[in-house]
Amino acid sequence: AQSVTQPDIHITVSEGASLELRCNYSYGATPYLFWYVQSPGQGLQLLLKYFSGDTLVQGIKGFEAEFKRSQSSFNLRKPSVHWSDAAEYFCAVGAHQTGANNLFFGTGTRLTVIP
Amino acid sequence: AAGVIQSPRHLIKEKRETATLKCYPIPRHDTVYWYQQGPGQDPQFLISFYEKMQSDKGSIPDRFSAQQFSDYHSELNMSSLELGDSALYFCASSFPSGIGGYEQYFGPGTRLTVT
Repeated sequence: AQSVTQPDIHITVSEGASLELRCNYSYGATPYLFWYVQSPGQGLQLLLKYFSGDTLVQGIKGFEAEFKRSQSSFNLRKPSVHWSDAAEYFCAVGAHQTGANNLFFGTGTRLTVIP
Repeated sequence: AAGVIQSPRHLIKEKRETATLKCYPIPRHDTVYWYQQGPGQDPQFLISFYEKMQSDKGSIPDRFSAQQFSDYHSELNMSSLELGDSALYFCASSFPSGIGGYEQYFGPGTRLTVT
């Protein structure tokens, strides 16, 4: 069965510092992987996705993520964090192996940005 | 660009009442997904529809039902509401075919409070 683990419940970084949010997945085949961001009381916005090919994917708002099959990881990174990046970040895996299209989400990482 | 529309945005109901949530997908998207996000939780997949047919089912209670109409909008019907149904309900839409089906775009959500 597929699952996603986000080990860090809450991360605090200073504005301008670099950021890495961890995501580990469990899946029997090549996974479809996603990172979503959710601001308080808002919907989920897709930051980036990985289906195949280049393991380093670029997303919106200056985010990137690297798929590492050997580590079953898809960590999200940003070189310089802005105060507006404070939000909840969810990693997700697509259940395509079963023929379904729904997503399985991790429990999320809350990012706090301090001045 | 047009986004997924959900109505109402907020809904307050009493226990044992019924509620209907509506979702209007992005134009030309014909697959709709419903997710439930409890307080401090990750989104959990409930059910999805493709071309007005149920395509997959997740952890949707038997008290809930949903359908997709000819204009591709979807409604989630919830009966005999319980306090535990209080959550943020997201609708997402996507293209159905192949990899595109996994790029889901989420609406802002409907916050249901059961008292």
